[in-house]
Amino acid sequence: RKEVEQDPGPFNVPEGATVAFNCTYSNSASQSFFWYRQDCRKEPKLLMSVYSSGNEDGRFTAQLNRASQYISLLIRDSKLSDSATYLCVVSPGGATNKLIFGTGTLLAVQP
Amino acid sequence: GAVVSQHPSWVICKSGTSVKIECRSLDFQATTMFWYRQFPKQSLMLMATSNEGSKATYEQGVEKDKFLINHASLTLSTLTVTSAHPEDSSFYICSARNSYEQYFGPGTRLTVT
Repeated sequence: RKEVEQDPGPFNVPEGATVAFNCTYSNSASQSFFWYRQDCRKEPKLLMSVYSSGNEDGRFTAQLNRASQYISLLIRDSKLSDSATYLCVVSPGGATNKLIFGTGTLLAVQP
Repeated sequence: GAVVSQHPSWVICKSGTSVKIECRSLDFQATTMFWYRQFPKQSLMLMATSNEGSKATYEQGVEKDKFLINHASLTLSTLTVTSAHPEDSSFYICSARNSYEQYFGPGTRLTVT
């Protein structure tokens, strides 16, 4: 089983749609959780951290359920510029703070 | 935000040669740097964690003698792919960490012919 699993996608949605991505992780001791965005042939960029209380940043809302080991990302009123691969990322914490990436979900927002 | 650079951005080399990739944190000191590899349509896979002044810690399945990592200063880490083969062709990305966040370099696309 992969450490971080995501919906494979691709998700093809019209502009203005609401889209949700899901992610599960296998290590119950994981400490930190993130969503990254990666454009084609580019490096990943941090979109937002994810907290147990849930957090929102504009059109983006992230939720974490530690009991179910489940993370979600909701994008409202999607824009063409939201087209990218969204990576669910988990960190086990500790001294190294390494990041473990999911395989990513490709989002294509259509005009 | 913090900036991390990589050099070269792309490289083509012949099978059997070695290639060195540099990762620099431009405006902060990074005690820890990370090296990732990404094959087409796959996610980033951590190869190794590099701490300044000490040996790198490699992930399971990554050959330390093939992927040589040197973290000589707080702003520079290098990855050398030795005796490269076509299956080493990939997108290599480094990241550097300050107290708050990991910042990724723009990546190096390696093609081995």
